[in-house]
Amino acid sequence: EADIYQTPRYLVIGTGKKITLECSQTMGHDKMYWYQQDPGMELHLIHYSYGVNSTEKGDLSSESTVSRIRTEHFPLTLESARPSHTSQYLCASSPRTGVIPGELFFGEGSRLTVL
Amino acid sequence: AQKITQTQPGMFVQEKEAVTLDCTYDTSDPSYGLFWYKQPSSGEMIFLIYQGSYDQQNATEGRYSLNFQKARKSANLVISASQLGDSAMYFCAMTSYQKVTFGTGTKLQVIP
Repeated sequence: EADIYQTPRYLVIGTGKKITLECSQTMGHDKMYWYQQDPGMELHLIHYSYGVNSTEKGDLSSESTVSRIRTEHFPLTLESARPSHTSQYLCASSPRTGVIPGELFFGEGSRLTVL
Repeated sequence: AQKITQTQPGMFVQEKEAVTLDCTYDTSDPSYGLFWYKQPSSGEMIFLIYQGSYDQQNATEGRYSLNFQKARKSANLVISASQLGDSAMYFCAMTSYQKVTFGTGTKLQVIP
């Protein structure tokens, strides 16, 4: 069973606020990812990391930033939230090598609503 | 470039019937993997089944099977004996060149 946790699960916040979505995994996975997904729509990769102190932007441009100071922790930050940031944010991780190459383990998601 | 195509935005199936969800892919990487994930309305992504590009046999996991046709570059998901709890979004995904690519998803609704 995957051990990857996201907090908060739900967040309603006003425009201009700073928010941080937390993602932690206890599996020792090197690779971690953030996806943005509107309801019923496809997943868009916005950030990924292949290890500590390594972060890259994904396919979809995002105003959010990420950090990877510890292997198990990959938080996502929005300095000034706007209504256009309303979405679900999914965190995932994968091991460098595994039984199923490239399998992603997902957290339960964080649903952000910016008023 | 890697690409996953799911051409069925939505599908209906009668309870206890079988259903096939289509997925085609494109990559020049000879070594790739194909996945199906289920996403219920609660939002989490649940891994269902995996097929490696070099696997000779089609993958099966319980009521799920993957109809892998390499020459056609298709990796359709077959769900046998549909249950009401199968109602969800289903995403096909591919790993190739160290990158994961998702399709646009198919919304499956199981009718009692």
